[in-house]
Amino acid sequence: DAKTTQPPSMDCAEGRAANLPCNHSTISGNEYVYWYRQIHSQGPQYIIHGLKNNETNEMASLIITEDRKSSTLILPHATLRDTAVYYCIVRVVSRGNTPLVFGKGTRLSVIA
Amino acid sequence: DTGVSQDPRHKITKRGQNVTFRCDPISEHNRLYWYRQTLGQGPEFLTYFQNEAQLEKSRLLSDRFSAERPKGSFSTLEIQRTEQGDSAMYLCASSLAQYEQFFGPGTRLTVL
Repeated sequence: DAKTTQPPSMDCAEGRAANLPCNHSTISGNEYVYWYRQIHSQGPQYIIHGLKNNETNEMASLIITEDRKSSTLILPHATLRDTAVYYCIVRVVSRGNTPLVFGKGTRLSVIA
Repeated sequence: DTGVSQDPRHKITKRGQNVTFRCDPISEHNRLYWYRQTLGQGPEFLTYFQNEAQLEKSRLLSDRFSAERPKGSFSTLEIQRTEQGDSAMYLCASSLAQYEQFFGPGTRLTVL
């Protein structure tokens, strides 16, 4: 079972920041927080990941609380093309097999 | 395009027939994963290869399913005696060692 809890859906106005929350209260010290998104009829797309520090890349920012029990993915200026299902995943990064365990994610609708 | 590719993109078959899907990973990636996704759910892990060795299989992978990765390059997933419950999107992902996984566009299977 997925170890994360996300709201099933959210709306965001185009051009505004989209803040997607994720609860992972049982996260272990060696588990990273990963975010993927899946646009309709496509495969999941990697967005960002982090352990405990906040991270930023060209797609998004990831804010992880100090106790690591929750995080927020921020899309700073959402566009219509950001409409997708966003998955928050906790995962051990090790030399062995670590498949991704997906929940149902958050369906983000960006509205013009 | 140097991403993960899958073929075919769509497959319609009759119950009882065999089907085979192909995945071509990103060329330098040594790990390859197969996932299955049904409507409204997140992807679920099926099996994992490191180079040519199949190292893990999910309990979801019944005896009717077989996967290969000859020479550690492309992979095939075969389903024998298909059932209507096999209807799903079959996703392939690849990664370099334990780092982030990159997904292909998927093969959508419909069993009539």
